[in-house]
Amino acid sequence: GAVVSQHPSWVICKSGTSVKIECRSLDFQATTMFWYRQFPKQSLMLMATSNEGSKATYEQGVEKDKFLINHASLTLSTLTVTSAHPEDSSFYICSANPRAEDFYEQYFGPGTRLTVT
Amino acid sequence: GQNIDQPTEMTATEGAIVQINCTYQTSGFNGLFWYQQHAGEAPTFLSYNVLDGLEEKGRFSSFLSRSKGYSYLLLKELQMKDSASYLCAVKDSNYQLIWGAGTKLIIKP
Repeated sequence: GAVVSQHPSWVICKSGTSVKIECRSLDFQATTMFWYRQFPKQSLMLMATSNEGSKATYEQGVEKDKFLINHASLTLSTLTVTSAHPEDSSFYICSANPRAEDFYEQYFGPGTRLTVT
Repeated sequence: GQNIDQPTEMTATEGAIVQINCTYQTSGFNGLFWYQQHAGEAPTFLSYNVLDGLEEKGRFSSFLSRSKGYSYLLLKELQMKDSASYLCAVKDSNYQLIWGAGTKLIIKP
């Protein structure tokens, strides 16, 4: 099956610094990737849809200037948490599928656990 | 608005059968998914239904009734490793996945 990787798998950073998380589709091209955030004991919350070659579409309530998304190629999307604060500590998961319409399964990366101290 | 409802938590016994229900109200429908998520891990795909009826895959089966906006995931011969959260998600008319809050399944010996 299709594989999506994320790097790093976990990161600890100091408050005020920025953290970049990479999401790669290893054996398929993904025109669309999705970024989710999940707090403990809560469900997935879609943050934004990353579209190759264009600007990301952010969900309501997600600050686009704080969570910078870049989808520069068909196999890589990055999420940068800028000026991180302790409340940004969460589990960040990306997912991708080759074509949202006719390839129905979404493949998830293993997730990145971010802890901001 | 769009809404997906599923029970917050269920408990079952090892070797038994459990049914996790999911009801949805979405703008359009392009398929319903069930995912399994163990604590601290990413979700893994279990099943997909787009037409009414039952889809069976080993110990897991998923049922869909589009007219009722209803689905269930049936887990048979429960094993301890089945303890996890089970997420119901629906693709709406824009092919966007709408997620339920998940059902935490606790398996007891």
